[in-house]
Amino acid sequence: GAVVSQHPSWVICKSGTSVKIECRSLDFQATTMFWYRQFPKQSLMLMATSNEGSKATYEQGVEKDKFLINHASLTLSTLTVTSAHPEDSSFYICSAEERETQYFGPGTRLLVL
Amino acid sequence: QQQVKQSPQSLIVQKGGISIINCAYENTAFDYFPWYQQFPGKGPALLIAIRPDVSEKKEGRFTISFNKSAKQFSLHIMDSQPGDSATYFCAASNSGYALNFGKGTSLLVTP
Repeated sequence: GAVVSQHPSWVICKSGTSVKIECRSLDFQATTMFWYRQFPKQSLMLMATSNEGSKATYEQGVEKDKFLINHASLTLSTLTVTSAHPEDSSFYICSAEERETQYFGPGTRLLVL
Repeated sequence: QQQVKQSPQSLIVQKGGISIINCAYENTAFDYFPWYQQFPGKGPALLIAIRPDVSEKKEGRFTISFNKSAKQFSLHIMDSQPGDSATYFCAASNSGYALNFGKGTSLLVTP
């Protein structure tokens, strides 16, 4: 089956620093990848849609200058949380699309102190 | 606005029983309806998915029932096992577009 990986699986950083999260499709090429955020015991909230070679499309209320998304190749998308603050602490999950099916990565737990 | 409504929020089923989770949607343009299973601290895993051209799809102990006229679909887990204890999300989308998720159902299967 289609496999999506994320790195790192968890990260702790100080307030004001930037954190980069990588999402890779390991055995398929993904023109489209998605980034979600999930708070404890809640559903997944779509942050942005990332298309290879073009600018990401952000959902309403998501700051594009704070959450930088780059989809430079068909197997890699990155999410950079710039100048992270404690309220950015969350579980970030990416998904990659193959044949109209979304496969999710294992998630990245971010804790900003 | 929640485009996909999911119920119940939580469910407790005895081992060997049937777990049933329901979802309803409003957008008639949706043409893809997947179910995901998520364990704590993990990403969602695709369980089973259906398109509107069929009314039922079965994979092992998991069955999706789809009612296009009522704009409802449901997940049935037969012979539920403690290992099925997880959070289940239904979703809906237009093909190629982002998924619209339900709020999730926390399932607990007791021994």
